[in-house]
Amino acid sequence: GESVGLHLPTLSVQEGDNSIINCAYSNSASDYFIWYKQESGKGPQFIIDIRSNMDKRQGQRVTVLLNKTVKHLSLQIAATQPGDSAVYFCAEKSLAGKSTFGDGTTLTVKP
Amino acid sequence: AAGVIQSPRHLIKEKRETATLKCYPIPRHDTVYWYQQGPGQDPQFLISFYEKMQSDKGSIPDRFSAQQFSDYHSELNMSSLELGDSALYFCASSLGQGANTGELFFGEGSRLTVL
Repeated sequence: GESVGLHLPTLSVQEGDNSIINCAYSNSASDYFIWYKQESGKGPQFIIDIRSNMDKRQGQRVTVLLNKTVKHLSLQIAATQPGDSAVYFCAEKSLAGKSTFGDGTTLTVKP
Repeated sequence: AAGVIQSPRHLIKEKRETATLKCYPIPRHDTVYWYQQGPGQDPQFLISFYEKMQSDKGSIPDRFSAQQFSDYHSELNMSSLELGDSALYFCASSLGQGANTGELFFGEGSRLTVL
């Protein structure tokens, strides 16, 4: 199960499938865009960031894509695992350092 | 590795009471951020401090105040508590306002319940 283009509040995928979580941002002046993972009752945990002058960045099993033309950010998770189940937030960082969070997407991974 | 420490982890108060939350950033981090997260909501930025000076301000109510001390820890003071203040309060820290990264390091949060 993948979703492309639209932000969805929930996403359910089978274990082993790839996941795509989407986000729209508003502030073109942000210098970094970030993805956080938040498990129930815990603080947000940094996954990956991308500088505003880049369009793609890869990490371990994750890839972030930035489309500045349409102000769209996506997070791709390869071979999704049960431990990936959480709420995922995109965020944009201002020059003063604060991150402004977007709406979260709850990812559920079915075994 | 040392993380951001927040205390208390849980706090129960009555309406109109006062509460103080504490945050100890990662050693050598000089910037602290406070966020409020209601149930099912995204974290909302309240206020931040860089080198003990307020660096940015968000949707922090006038009933709330905060400061950063000489050892870089920060305290969020909340007065005249209202039922709507019940939330998770997160503190995050970074080095130098995160000049070369987007990453903020979050604590585990303080859960405030106002009865």
